[in-house]
Amino acid sequence: KNEVEQSPQNLTAQEGEFITINCSYSVGISALHWLQQHPGGGIVSLFMLSSGKKKHGRLIATINIQEKHSSLHITASHPRDSAVYICAVSGSGTYKYIFGTGTRLKVLA
Amino acid sequence: DTGVSQDPRHKITKRGQNVTFRCDPISEHNRLYWYRQTLGQGPEFLTYFQNEAQLEKSRLLSDRFSAERPKGSFSTLEIQRTEQGDSAMYLCASSSGHSNSPLHFGNGTRLTVT
Repeated sequence: KNEVEQSPQNLTAQEGEFITINCSYSVGISALHWLQQHPGGGIVSLFMLSSGKKKHGRLIATINIQEKHSSLHITASHPRDSAVYICAVSGSGTYKYIFGTGTRLKVLA
Repeated sequence: DTGVSQDPRHKITKRGQNVTFRCDPISEHNRLYWYRQTLGQGPEFLTYFQNEAQLEKSRLLSDRFSAERPKGSFSTLEIQRTEQGDSAMYLCASSSGHSNSPLHFGNGTRLTVT
């Protein structure tokens, strides 16, 4: 079992739909990142969380430390949101990040 | 601030050859990470530096892999005697080291070993 698990692995949505991507982890963490990767490889950091909830535009990220779970929500999804969304955690006592395998999102017009 | 840059973007090499990749982090960032990513997978940790010190190295990294950050600025990743299994995207990331600092990634170097 991977230390960071994401679900679903693949997701297809219609434009305008509300999208949720989940991340569960099994290690103690000091921080959790949500990242976006577009075809061609570039990775962009969306959020860094250690507790609670953050919002940026149409994106919302939440984390529940007790349940070792985080969610990334996209409201009013758009085709330009199509990308791979990756969850990464930094374990307690280390600055090494462990990545999930990603959720491939496709938003249809 | 031009972001994290990696060179080259693409490298095709024959099995058995040595290759070296370079990463220039954001200038004030003291933490630098190397990751490897294969198709359909998330990035796998290879190693990380705080300034010039290599603080952690993955057990995935065989003796054929070596990384340096001699002056605490740019870093190089060398792979000796490349194998076809080394074909992957090699990603570099940096962060400032403050407790809530985000990771900034380069665009990666795609290695193909033929």
